[in-house]
This record gives sequence, structure tokens and C-alpha cells, in this order.
Amino acid sequence: AQSVTQLDSQVPVFEEAPVELRCNYSSSVSVYLFWYVQYPNQGLQLLLKYLSGSTLVKGINGFEAEFNKSQTSFHLRKPSVHISDTAEYFCAVSRGSSYKLIFGSGTRLLVRP
Amino acid sequence: DAGVIQSPRHEVTEMGQEVTLRCKPISGHNSLFWYRQTMMRGLELLIYFNNNVPIDDSGMPEDRFSAKMPNASFSTLKIQPSEPRDSAVYFCASRPKRADNEQFFGPGTRLTVL
Repeated sequence: AQSVTQLDSQVPVFEEAPVELRCNYSSSVSVYLFWYVQYPNQGLQLLLKYLSGSTLVKGINGFEAEFNKSQTSFHLRKPSVHISDTAEYFCAVSRGSSYKLIFGSGTRLLVRP
Repeated sequence: DAGVIQSPRHEVTEMGQEVTLRCKPISGHNSLFWYRQTMMRGLELLIYFNNNVPIDDSGMPEDRFSAKMPNASFSTLKIQPSEPRDSAVYFCASRPKRADNEQFFGPGTRLTVL
């Protein structure tokens, strides 16, 4: 069965510092990969997705992620974070065009001034 | 464009009462999902509809939970009778008919059962 591991439950970082949120998935077949962000008391919003092609994917709000097939990873990065980036971030994987989105447990990004 | 609409946004009820959560998917989307989010279990898929037909309800916790989609623009999730352990945030999501599996989430309903 598919699984997604987000290694860090919480990542504290100072404003304007770079950040990387880690995500590993288990699969040996083609997958679609997603990062969602959840701001307090809101639903999940898509940051970016990888379907195929270039392994570096750029998303909204200055975020990007790199698909690494050999390491089965899809880490999320931002070169300089803002206070407004404080939120919960979820990595998700879908096997091909399956309807099932398997979510990781989430990483809470806490940006401090 | 309007996103996925859910109502109510907050619901507080007493144990044993019936609770009905409502969802209006994005127009033109043909798939609808109900999820439950708790601190302990994270995001769980409860049920998946495709073209208004329930395809996978294996995530529905027990018979107290039921979901319907009478038409392409409306779905309900009902809990009867409700229990304190049902307290959670319930999300509805919809998806267009295309190859990837990007799902569009509503703002959620925070349910508290006392």
C-alpha cells in the first residue's frame, strides 16, 4: 500500500531564512505528487504538483519542490520565508490516476520574526 | 469562480443528536470526496463519489455515518446518532474529470459533539 512520510512534525524557522520540508513516499510505480498548505481554520490549498517531466516543480507563493525518483522523495523548499507562510503543509501521493490521495501526517511550519 | 462550499462552518451538538453536513462541489467537477481530519488520525477519506454514484465508502466509520449525492451540485454527510468521538473537521473536496488527481478542498466543517 502507498504511504507518505513527512519526517518533521514541526519546523521552526526565522523570517527570511530558507526552509525545506521533507517528504518521502513508498512506491515503485508511477505516481503523482502534491503539496498542499492549510492555513489556520481553512481548507487545503494546492501549492504545487508533479505529474511528469521536469523534476523541479514551481508552485505558488515562491515554493518549489524536487522529485527524486531514486530516493522516492519530494521535498518542498522556499529560499526565503515570510511570517504569512506559517501553516500546516501536507505532502500527498496518488498512484497514477487513482482517485485515492494518500496524505502524510503534515508538517507545521512556524515562521518567527 | 466559487470554490467548494460547505455548510455549516461550525456545528456544536449534543451526543445522540443527528448532524447533517452539506457540500456544494465546484461546477463541472464529476468527483466528490468527504474527508475527516483529526489530530490522532490525520486526514482520512470517508467516501468517494463519481458522477453522483458512491464508488468507495470503505472509510465510513460505521453505520451511524451515511452520505448521499442526489445531484451533481449537492452532497450531504449525516451522522446519526452523533458521539463525542465524531468531533473533527470534515472536509469536502471535488475533482474535475482529467488525468491527474488534483482535488479542490472546501473550508471544512468543524464538528464538536458534547
